[in-house]
Amino acid sequence: AQTVTQSQPEMSVQEAETVTLSCTYDTSESDYYLFWYKQPPSRQMILVIRQEAYKQQNATENRFSVNFQKAAKSFSLKISDSQLGDAAMYFCAYSGGSNYKLTFGKGTLLTVNP
Amino acid sequence: DAMVIQNPRYQVTQFGKPVTLSCSQTLNHNVMYWYQQKSSQAPKLLFHYYDKDFNNEADTPDNFQSRRPNTSFCFLDIRSPGLGDAAMYLCATSREEAGVSGYTFGSGTRLTVV
Repeated sequence: AQTVTQSQPEMSVQEAETVTLSCTYDTSESDYYLFWYKQPPSRQMILVIRQEAYKQQNATENRFSVNFQKAAKSFSLKISDSQLGDAAMYFCAYSGGSNYKLTFGKGTLLTVNP
Repeated sequence: DAMVIQNPRYQVTQFGKPVTLSCSQTLNHNVMYWYQQKSSQAPKLLFHYYDKDFNNEADTPDNFQSRRPNTSFCFLDIRSPGLGDAAMYLCATSREEAGVSGYTFGSGTRLTVV
């Protein structure tokens, strides 16, 4: 079974600084997708960024980028120029092969300090 | 805007009294999911519908049931809620190829059992 591990229960960053959230996963699939979701205090999950495993190029979305290391099964999220609105719980998630279900990590609570 | 709507936002129910949570979508996605999320934990998949086909997770208690009368609506029924069922319940939808776009989540229903 696929597993997703987020080893940092909590992280904090100063406003305008950069922070990296870690995620590792375990799978035997060769074709899969990885996601980072943001869950603000209002609790609606929002997709931040996604990565196709067959693409070597790291995905970027404005201030958000990933470092995808397929051999190491690592998928970290970098948030540049952190803003107060970035404060949220961040979940790493995996969807693999023909299985369209998402498996989530336990999340990292990000605090942004003014 | 196309979206996933969950009602009610907050639900209080008595121990043992059946309760129903609802989810509707305007995205015309063929897959709908119910997740249970307890405090500081990853969302846990309870079951999903692929069109009209119901798929239960192996560890989902029998106390939890679901109905999908049409493409737009899906219901979560808890037959006899216990204190341990207090949680946030998240509804999500996807096209079958979840890796293409991931999930779209509703805002969740926070269930309190008294």
